[in-house]
Amino acid sequence: DTAVSQTPKYLVTQMGNDKSIKCEQNLGHDTMYWYKQDSKKFLKIMFSYNNKELIINETVPNRFSPKSPDKAHLNLHINSLELGDSAVYFCASSQALAGETQYFGPGTRLLVL
Amino acid sequence: AQSVTQPDIHITVSEGASLELRCNYSYGATPYLFWYVQSPGQGLQLLLKYFSGDTLVQGIKGFEAEFKRSQSSFNLRKPSVHWSDAAEYFCAVRTGTASKLTFGTGTRLQVTL
Repeated sequence: DTAVSQTPKYLVTQMGNDKSIKCEQNLGHDTMYWYKQDSKKFLKIMFSYNNKELIINETVPNRFSPKSPDKAHLNLHINSLELGDSAVYFCASSQALAGETQYFGPGTRLLVL
Repeated sequence: AQSVTQPDIHITVSEGASLELRCNYSYGATPYLFWYVQSPGQGLQLLLKYFSGDTLVQGIKGFEAEFKRSQSSFNLRKPSVHWSDAAEYFCAVRTGTASKLTFGTGTRLQVTL
């Protein structure tokens, strides 16, 4: 029944590793997003995909690579993890044409040691 | 560039008291405005939104917000706060055609019994 789901919920890893976060939505939306929430709770958009096409890329380091295999999925792969990547990553989705409300997933808490 | 300001970082109210959380935005065109709530360790839940029409909008959990164009504000209110309302509250504005959400820095609400 979960509208926007993310896996894993928690991710603890060492610096330099590569990791992926997966996001799935069952709302039938055609637009999906990745947001980063830092330790001060500030939320900032990273990427947005519409119908599997990248439409927003907010000057995120190229170590971050989003991939959208289909409209219901948007995964985030991070190479060579750094301490500063520690944050909560939220996936969201919306129906870009019919409305503007974004629905958020529960978040993935990433800790880089 | 668009921006959202939430001047109160932390607010404490007694249960049963009224609440007003402030939000000011900076955006050239008519904004789409949102309030989200984030409970500890949780994702973001939409409380309410304003797109057009009646400037007083009702949301879930007894919240309402009023859009005041002259003051560039979209303050969130609740007449009687419950202990379960303790959370982080984010104001956001949607700008552009790419559905990008710009968030404020959040207001942490603490409710005393």
